[in-house]
Parts: sequence; C-alpha cells; structure tokens
Amino acid sequence: DVKVTQSSRYLVKRTGEKVFLECVQDMDHENMFWYRQDPGLGLRLIYFSYDVKMKEKGDIPEGYSVSREKKERFSLILESASTNQTSMYLCASSLSLNYGYTFGSGTRLTVV
Amino acid sequence: RKEVEQDPGPFNVPEGATVAFNCTYSNSASQSFFWYRQDCRKEPKLLMSVYSSGNEDGRFTAQLNRASQYISLLIRDSKLSDSATYLCVVLRISGNTPLVFGKGTRLSVIA
Repeated sequence: DVKVTQSSRYLVKRTGEKVFLECVQDMDHENMFWYRQDPGLGLRLIYFSYDVKMKEKGDIPEGYSVSREKKERFSLILESASTNQTSMYLCASSLSLNYGYTFGSGTRLTVV
Repeated sequence: RKEVEQDPGPFNVPEGATVAFNCTYSNSASQSFFWYRQDCRKEPKLLMSVYSSGNEDGRFTAQLNRASQYISLLIRDSKLSDSATYLCVVLRISGNTPLVFGKGTRLSVIA
C-alpha cells in the first residue's frame, strides 16, 4: 500500500511565523498535492506538483508556496501564517493525475 | 452551477436499509469520477471509481449518467460501519486542478 506521511498531526503557530508542513510518500508517485479542508467548504486544492521541481497553483494558492526538491517529498510553506490559515491540511500523492489519490492523515494547524 | 454538488445530509438510516446519494457535476467534458469515503477526523480514502457502464463492489453500486451529468452511490444493507462522509470526486480535464472534490454527504447508520 502507498503510504503518505505528514510530519505533524497537530501544530500550533503564532501569527506571522513561517510554517513548514512536510509530506513524504514511499511509492515513487509522480504527482503530489496539498489540500486544505474546512467545515462547509470541503477540500480545496492549494498547490500540486507533477514532477520534481515542478509546481502548479491550485484554486487557493494565495499565502502559500511549495517546494519539491525530491520526488518523494512535497513541502507546503506558509510564509507568514495568519489566523485564516487555521485548517486541516491534507497531502496526497498519485501515480497519475486522473486516478484516485492516496492521502496522508492530515495536519491540523491552528494559528493563534 | 457549482462544479461538483452534493446534498450535505445528514442521511440517518437504520441498519439494513438501502440508501442512495446523488452528485451533480457541471463540466460535461469530465472524464473520470470517483467516490471517496471520509471517516470523522480521518483522511479521505478511495471507495470506488465510477465507470460509464456502472460498477458494483459488494454492497456498493456506483452509476454514471452523462446525459444528466450526475453520478450516484447506492449502499445496500447498511452497516453501522458505513457511517461516514461520502465525497463525490470529478476529474476536471481543463484548467489546472486535477481532481475536484464535492463537499460530501454525511451518512449515519443507526442501530
């Protein structure tokens, strides 16, 4: 089974801090994704990457950046955390863009 | 019209009941469709893909109606363990978003 591991289950950060969320997958998948999930809004795509060093904006990229230096690792960066970025962040990976994704267990981030 | 639309529920059904969820999508060019299941405070997991001819996996049946642009999920003989949120997922083939997730339909199966 594909395993997608997110480094932290829970994080509490202060407004203005730079925050790194890490995601690692162990099945040599080309594609990796970052979503956030909020009550009433569902899952929304922040960024995705289809290859090392490649990145594409999703629907809500503002306030975020990403890094993919190695195939197995995809990092989400909050340059200056704000309270409206309090959310559940879910990383996913897949073999192809048009087939089902495998998600990590999520990072619940609280910005105070 | 939203890209992917689902009735949020909750659907409260007794054990053993049959329950069906529909999901509508707005892009007629969409090619791939899925149902995901998400348990409370857990990550979404792929339940099944949806094929044009319809497909069945045990108690679960998924169907696609391209003419009306909706997909459905039927659960027969509901179990308590089926309680979860069911996410309708569509592949958008244009633009820069690979998969679009519906907001989910919550199901509670009651003893």
